[in-house]
Amino acid sequence: GAVVSQHPSWVICKSGTSVKIECRSLDFQATTMFWYRQFPKQSLMLMATSNEGSKATYEQGVEKDKFLINHASLTLSTLTVTSAHPEDSSFYICSAHPGAGGYNEQFFGPGTRLTVL
Amino acid sequence: KQEVTQIPAALSVPEGENLVLNCSFTDSAIYNLQWFRQDPGKGLTSLLLIQSSQREQTSGRLNASLDKSSGRSTLYIAASQPGDSATYLCAVVVNQAGTALIFGKGTTLSVSS
Repeated sequence: GAVVSQHPSWVICKSGTSVKIECRSLDFQATTMFWYRQFPKQSLMLMATSNEGSKATYEQGVEKDKFLINHASLTLSTLTVTSAHPEDSSFYICSAHPGAGGYNEQFFGPGTRLTVL
Repeated sequence: KQEVTQIPAALSVPEGENLVLNCSFTDSAIYNLQWFRQDPGKGLTSLLLIQSSQREQTSGRLNASLDKSSGRSTLYIAASQPGDSATYLCAVVVNQAGTALIFGKGTTLSVSS
């Protein structure tokens, strides 16, 4: 149980294009989903927190207009990197939290490797 | 501001050795501490979660301890195997809901056969 998937697992795009990454909780409903970014040999850094049906909360320094997050259902959140640039190349990992009444921990997806040329 | 540090950054051992990975945190006001495994280019797999009221947790060859007052946790791996080669991440949970995690940079372990 508690499986989280991400799609795609990797993507290469040209500078200036937009890329959408999906995060799904497969066997539980996720009240809250999180998006992290990880640069090589660095910690996971939280980018934003999204609650189903409401606007995402972004961490300081993360541009909300560049990283669009939608959490339209209890099992799906999407991250769209708009007008991607090479410095956006990174490993993006999502996690899902079942909320009150469920396991009190986050479950992580397998990650998406984004390379912007 | 909570900071999580993991030492060493990298570790190479021969198969069969017992080893210890260290994690320290600057603010002892944590709710839980969690150890994860990350294989290259992959997501995180939760290994052990220690609640703040606990001193240790065990799963198979893994044992994690927590000393909140000193801001330290250790992950002990017994009889290491090549399949244990991965990056091990420590994260402190700083809110009761379990929704706020702060990660260390990880220790990359290589076990040679």
